[in-house]
Amino acid sequence: QLQLRESGPGLVKPSDTLSLVCSVSGASINDYYWSWVRQSPGKTLEWIAYMHHRGGADYNPSLRGRVSMSLDASRNEFSLNLESVTASDSAVYFCARGMLTGHYWGPGTLVSVPS
Amino acid sequence: EILMTQSPATLYVSPGDRVTLSCRASQSVQTSVAWYQQKPGQSPRLLIHDASIRAKGVPARFGGSGSATVFTLTINNLQSEDFALYYCQQYNEWATFGQGTKVEVK
Repeated sequence: QLQLRESGPGLVKPSDTLSLVCSVSGASINDYYWSWVRQSPGKTLEWIAYMHHRGGADYNPSLRGRVSMSLDASRNEFSLNLESVTASDSAVYFCARGMLTGHYWGPGTLVSVPS
Repeated sequence: EILMTQSPATLYVSPGDRVTLSCRASQSVQTSVAWYQQKPGQSPRLLIHDASIRAKGVPARFGGSGSATVFTLTINNLQSEDFALYYCQQYNEWATFGQGTKVEVK
């Protein structure tokens, strides 16, 4: 059974880089597209990025330039880096399986950036 | 950016009801629409993709329809576990979500 789990710091300082990891079990990371999605408190969802090991990554136009995503097949996990964070980047960050539709999701991890 | 507008914001219903949730896109998204269910403190759950295809394991009481700019999620014989927040999403041009419709008990 596919399981995803996000990990990373719960608190990031303004202007620092947010780094998150999604650990995948029950499927090979090479077999699917993988994504990052976030949800600000009380707000809707925002698709951040997706990636496939053969096709490279694509990013939300509003975040392009600050965001990068990578896969590590040896660990069966994938990562997200978001540079120069501000308070508006505070959100629950989810990892998911799928290109732009989330078929399976991790439980999410809350990241706070103080203002 | 394609805007997805959901209505109503809140729907008050009773168990056993037939429920219809609406979603309108600001421009045509063909049938590149998904519907998700989210409960408090949980991650979203995919219900429908490609406007009308039920995701794996989703009960048959959930149905999706529509194309271009108008989409509908229908829940027949609403069960107690269906009280939740529902989002529509388009993925024709990148991906954007609606603001959600909350299904609450009447």
